[in-house]
Parts: sequence; C-alpha cells; structure tokens
Amino acid sequence: AQSVTQLGSHVSVSEGALVLLRCNYSSSVPPYLFWYVQYPNQGLQLLLKYTSAATLVKGINGFEAEFKKSETSFHLTKPSAHMSDAAEYFCAVSFNFGNEKLTFGTGTRLTIIP
Amino acid sequence: GAVVSQHPSWVICKSGTSVKIECRSLDFQATTMFWYRQFPKQSLMLMATSNEGSKATYEQGVEKDKFLINHASLTLSTLTVTSAHPEDSSFYICSAPLAGGNNEQFFGPGTRLTVL
Repeated sequence: AQSVTQLGSHVSVSEGALVLLRCNYSSSVPPYLFWYVQYPNQGLQLLLKYTSAATLVKGINGFEAEFKKSETSFHLTKPSAHMSDAAEYFCAVSFNFGNEKLTFGTGTRLTIIP
Repeated sequence: GAVVSQHPSWVICKSGTSVKIECRSLDFQATTMFWYRQFPKQSLMLMATSNEGSKATYEQGVEKDKFLINHASLTLSTLTVTSAHPEDSSFYICSAPLAGGNNEQFFGPGTRLTVL
C-alpha cells in the first residue's frame, strides 16, 4: 500500500529563515507527489507537484521541492519564510495515472516567528 | 485554474437529522470526485470516490448507508450524512481531478458540519 510520512507535526521558523518540511513516501513504482497548503477553515491549495519530469519542482509562493528517488523523499523548502506562510502543509502521493486517489501525510503545521 | 465549490460552507444540525453537502466543478467536467473528512488538527481521510453514472466506491470502514453519495451530473456530486450524530461533526472536503492533469486534484473550500 502507498503511504506518506511527514516528519514533524509542528515546525517553527523565524521570519526570513529557511523553511524545510519533510516528506518521505513508500512505493515500488514511480509516484506522483504533491504538496498542498491549507489555511484555517479552508480547502487545500496546490503548492507544487512532481509527475516524473524534472526532479526539482518549483511551485507558488517561492516554494520548491526535490524528488530524490534514492531517499524516497520529497521535502518542501523555501529560502526565506514570510509571515503569510503560516499554515498547515500536507504531502500527498498517488501511484496510478488512471487512479487519481490521493493518500495524505499527517500534515505539518508551520509557525513563523516574527 | 479549475474551480471546485461546496455548499454550504458550514451547517449546524440536530442529532438524527440528515444533511446534504454539494460539490460542484464550476469550469470543468468531472467524472470522478472524491470526498474527504478532516477532524480537527488531523489529516484528510478519503471517505469515498464518487463516480458519475455509477455507484460510489467507499473506503474501508466508511458506512455507505450513512454517507450517501450521488454523482448526478458531470459537475455535481452530493454527500448526504443521514441520521447525523455528534461524532459525525467534522470538516468535509471534496475534490475533483482535471482530466489529463497528471493526477492533480482541485479541492473545494470545505463544509464544516456540527451536529448538536
């Protein structure tokens, strides 16, 4: 079965500091990987996605993620945190192109310290 | 980008009543839609896959008779929580994939259900 693990349910960084949110997946076949952001009482917004093209994926709001097959990882980074980045972040995976079912990680709450 | 709407955005109901939540794809057609529930400070759990013109596929542990799903058209899926109880209180979110979109799903804004 497919699964996603997000290390760290809470991450706090200072404004202007590097943001690093970790995501590892388990799979025996190439995955499709996604990062979503959720603000309070709202739905999910796609930050970026990996679909077997470039391993370094750039998304919205200055975020990027690198797919590392050898490490089965897809960590999310942003060079300089902004106060507006405070939110819940979810890593998700799907495995079959014809089956768009997503499996979500447990989420990481990002807090930005002024 | 593609837009998915949900209605209502929040609802409060009495225990034992039924509540219907609508999920609409506004600018694209969706033969498949997904329904998730999210408890406070937790992740999204897939409840069921809604298929236009056929029966929904429920995830293990989800009661199909309690959570009725109807995918009436290529732009509308409904989730009806029947005989709601306080433990059904949750945030319900739907999503729809864009055909040919590399498995990208577009999410609705969610519906907050509170059962008294």
